[in-house]
Amino acid sequence: KAGVTQTPRYLIKTRGQQVTLSCSPISGHRSVSWYQQTPGQGLQFLFEYFSETQRNKGNFPGRFSGRQFSNSRSEMNVSTLELGDSALYLCASSSEWNTEAFFGQGTRLTVV
Amino acid sequence: KNEVEQSPQNLTAQEGEFITINCSYSVGISALHWLQQHPGGGIVSLFMLSSGKKKHGRLIATINIQEKHSSLHITASHPRDSAVYICAVRAPLQGAQKLVFGQGTRLTINP
Repeated sequence: KAGVTQTPRYLIKTRGQQVTLSCSPISGHRSVSWYQQTPGQGLQFLFEYFSETQRNKGNFPGRFSGRQFSNSRSEMNVSTLELGDSALYLCASSSEWNTEAFFGQGTRLTVV
Repeated sequence: KNEVEQSPQNLTAQEGEFITINCSYSVGISALHWLQQHPGGGIVSLFMLSSGKKKHGRLIATINIQEKHSSLHITASHPRDSAVYICAVRAPLQGAQKLVFGQGTRLTINP
């Protein structure tokens, strides 16, 4: 079974730009969640999708948004990038809500 | 104060030693996860617990719901166990189920 795939792996963007990150979950998994990891704040929960619906949301500004498609693939978008958005963005998939999560390798975003 | 606290923050040990990493939380939870993160960022889910104890190879995880405490043990530690170990709890916060993470424990096993 293929694991969770995140693309791209690395990204460099300029302040003010917007970025879209992609996450393909394990086949059959319907839940996808997104996390931001920075040296200062550690891992923080962004949002969680299940069957195309956002079920939970962390404490991030509205510049951070996401969606999930009917094939369970998910995208995360960050608009008007700030330097502080530089981070490792991780997604995880699980078969159902509150079951074991499998993580992707992450997308390392650098905002300059 | 964070909802999830891990100790110690850093741990260095010799190969073969028995390792214990602790996690305490202050909220009611539906599940607790132990994660392992190697340099380069990849995260592996080691355990998901809601009660009792789980074992996988040399790794053992326990949880005491009444005391709001979990431990991760590594027996016969090996240099390849060197990683950051992260405790995370799923808890109802601000009207929704959220995953809240500890700050991580950096484990270094010397040969």
